[in-house]
Amino acid sequence: DTAVSQTPKYLVTQMGNDKSIKCEQNLGHDTMYWYKQDSKKFLKIMFSYNNKELIINETVPNRFSPKSPDKAHLNLHINSLELGDSAVYFCASSQEFRRPYEQYFGPGTRLTVT
Amino acid sequence: AQTVTQSQPEMSVQEAETVTLSCTYDTSESDYYLFWYKQPPSRQMILVIRQEAYKQQNATENRFSVNFQKAAKSFSLKISDSQLGDAAMYFCAYRAGTSGTYKYIFGTGTRLKVLA
Repeated sequence: DTAVSQTPKYLVTQMGNDKSIKCEQNLGHDTMYWYKQDSKKFLKIMFSYNNKELIINETVPNRFSPKSPDKAHLNLHINSLELGDSAVYFCASSQEFRRPYEQYFGPGTRLTVT
Repeated sequence: AQTVTQSQPEMSVQEAETVTLSCTYDTSESDYYLFWYKQPPSRQMILVIRQEAYKQQNATENRFSVNFQKAAKSFSLKISDSQLGDAAMYFCAYRAGTSGTYKYIFGTGTRLKVLA
């Protein structure tokens, strides 16, 4: 049973295209996140959702639009893809109002923009 | 603002030896959590160990243990009897203890190489 799953795991596309990444968690967590990991392995938070409500939006270009249809799902749609969007995108989840707030990650989606 | 610093971009250890990865953090909070995550070449982020700031006892998980020095704001990870499968990126992370924070602060990572 995968706790946090993402699809697809690999995505190769051309500049200017629009693409989506899906994330699902079956842990019953109330908070989900999107992170971007660049080529230097630095993890940067992009968005955080709690019970479908956007909580954190970390100065991400508005070409990136997250959507949370329910608290078990958080999708990321990217418009007009640019070369600089190439990275690994991680979904994660946690239970915000229950210590110790451990965060569980999905397997990541490697996005390559050519 | 809270920060997490991992000053060792890369470390090497001989198989079966012990290695310590450093992490320092800055916060004005007294209630918080610290984590070490492992990211092997498969890129899956795996939680290795967790430390609650209010606990004086250092956390241990099998071959992994931490040296938590709250006053010095230091949180190092010790890996004993290193194995080839320990080769990975290791990330230190901080999370405030207050509910409704929603944010984890990650360090820049340390790449650990294990030599056979």
